[in-house]
Amino acid sequence: NAGVMQNPRHLVRRRGQEARLRCSPMKGHSHVYWYRQLPEEGLKFMVYLQKENIIDESGMPKERFSAEFPKEGPSILRIQQVVRGDSAAYFCASSTGQGRGEAFFGQGTRLTVV
Amino acid sequence: GQQVMQIPQYQHVQEGEDFTTYCNSSTTLSNIQWYKQRPGGHPVFLIQLVKSGEVKKQKRLTFQFGEAKKNSSLHITATQTTDVGTYFCAARSNDYKLSFGAGTTVTVRA
Repeated sequence: NAGVMQNPRHLVRRRGQEARLRCSPMKGHSHVYWYRQLPEEGLKFMVYLQKENIIDESGMPKERFSAEFPKEGPSILRIQQVVRGDSAAYFCASSTGQGRGEAFFGQGTRLTVV
Repeated sequence: GQQVMQIPQYQHVQEGEDFTTYCNSSTTLSNIQWYKQRPGGHPVFLIQLVKSGEVKKQKRLTFQFGEAKKNSSLHITATQTTDVGTYFCAARSNDYKLSFGAGTTVTVRA
């Protein structure tokens, strides 16, 4: 049973480009969370999704950021027109359908905007 | 969602000493989880506490959930260099959103 898979592990984008971060949850997990972590800082909640539904996006910036978790395929965190301040590690985590158990984290995508 | 506050933000420990990190909430928590993130790594689940006053141990780590279910602590005895990292507590709100504290970053002096 593979763990949470995130790709790419490292992503470099120029200012103004789009960044697409992918997350495949653990098999059987239907809850996905995205977090952002700046160097030397904690995990900032961005969005919580279930299959085909956004449950809570209170941590997402209003502009340029979007997330989806389609019926088939990985969850996608999309950042349009990236700026230097978007440089961070983005972690995805998944948990079981009950949403009560532990969260399993992927290894993260380190986004660098140049 | 739940807001959990963690203190201290940084903990510098002499190898062999003990230390404690604390997690506090203004509201009653249904459960609390602890995670560890090594430098350059990703958070890894350590434990979940559910019952009021619950105490769980993992070798040199002791986790406690307060009687009022509003606070939790992690106590590490005889700190080793392998304990280096950031320890996060996390709490779920009723809609299952998992919110993390700011973490306690631990460094160890040999």
